[in-house]
Amino acid sequence: DAGITQSPRHKVTETGTPVTLRCHQTENHRYMYWYRQDPGHGLRLIHYSYGVKDTDKGEVSDGYSVSRSKTEDFLLTLESATSSQTSVYFCAIHRQVTDTQYFGPGTRLTVL
Amino acid sequence: QKEVEQDPGPLSVPEGAIVSLNCTYSNSAFQYFMWYRQYSRKGPELLMYTYSSGNKEDGRFTAQVDKSSKYISLFIRDSQPSDSATYLCAMSETLSNYQLIWGAGTKLIIKP
Repeated sequence: DAGITQSPRHKVTETGTPVTLRCHQTENHRYMYWYRQDPGHGLRLIHYSYGVKDTDKGEVSDGYSVSRSKTEDFLLTLESATSSQTSVYFCAIHRQVTDTQYFGPGTRLTVL
Repeated sequence: QKEVEQDPGPLSVPEGAIVSLNCTYSNSAFQYFMWYRQYSRKGPELLMYTYSSGNKEDGRFTAQVDKSSKYISLFIRDSQPSDSATYLCAMSETLSNYQLIWGAGTKLIIKP
């Protein structure tokens, strides 16, 4: 258990509405990541952060924005949700002691 | 062509069998190789981590890297029904920003 929580765990929303997903960590890790997971695609990186207010784009960043105002919180925002953003979203941290990523439990998002 | 290829399965084997899971990759600069296990509706969890070539063993699990063939394997001995999950490989050139390139995952079913 890497001390990562995600909220909400499930959300159903309508096309065009804004959505914010929250990732919270308790171990003060510098690097945090947002992924989406879809059948046949595996995990795809959306955005990542390497410190407070320091973020960068990943492979599939279009339509998503992120913010990190505190070390422990990394927010993912869908400004105007579309049906193609229906997915399972995972947050991860990089733990330096083991040099690997550890994942939260995921948020299942459905955009109708 | 994806950077990392992984057969999606499902791979179905009887309990007690030796399981071989594989990934191929195209980027010869990859040096860090990981295997994650993901149970249904859960986040991925780190199983094995190897650097460069060679074998690494942990209990019933053995990870093998063949950089000359750009091929990595995960072997599971004495497979158990509790090993039924999706197995994802991940790899990276460098740990500078800790970004990983992921395979799509292989679904494994161990039949009692």
